[in-house]
Amino acid sequence: AQSVTQLGSHVSVSEGALVLLRCNYSSSVPPYLFWYVQYPNQGLQLLLKYTTGATLVKGINGFEAEFKKSETSFHLTKPSAHMSDAAEYFCAVMTGRRALTFGSGTRLQVQP
Amino acid sequence: GAGVSQTPSNKVTEKGKYVELRCDPISGHTALYWYRQSLGQGPEFLIYFQGTGAADDSGLPNDRFFAVRPEGSVSTLKIQRTERGDSAVYLCASSSGTGYTGELFFGEGSRLTVL
Repeated sequence: AQSVTQLGSHVSVSEGALVLLRCNYSSSVPPYLFWYVQYPNQGLQLLLKYTTGATLVKGINGFEAEFKKSETSFHLTKPSAHMSDAAEYFCAVMTGRRALTFGSGTRLQVQP
Repeated sequence: GAGVSQTPSNKVTEKGKYVELRCDPISGHTALYWYRQSLGQGPEFLIYFQGTGAADDSGLPNDRFFAVRPEGSVSTLKIQRTERGDSAVYLCASSSGTGYTGELFFGEGSRLTVL
């Protein structure tokens, strides 16, 4: 069975500071990994994904994530937080069946 | 339409009643998914359609839940004999083609409250 653990249900950073949102997965086969973002009163949208190839993937709005098989991690980072980054972020995994398994989410707060 | 549309956006019902939630996917998208999101949790998979058929309904919690997609476009999630524990946001998503890329396009959800 596959699962996703997001460490920290709430993360608060200052504007301009590094953003680090943690995601660890459990899978018996090579996974596809995703980060989705949900802004207030909007649907979830894809931020970035890892399927095969380069382990460092870049997404929209300056976010990137690195797939580390040895650590079973797919942490999301952004060098400099912006107020508009305040949202809820979900890590997700897919193996085999065509359905994503989501983590419980991390709410990012950006302080001025 | 431009995006995935879900109606109603909010539904309040009484325990034991029947509820229908509708999803209108992005035009041309063959795959359609239903997820349920409870407070403080991530979306939980319910069912996946490829065209008109349910390719994977393993996430439906019990036989009170049923979904259809008769013409391969609009889908309806049906909940019979609602219970307070069914209260959640029900999300619909669609994607194009048969190749799975993981990019799902989500609607804003239907918030169901069972009193």
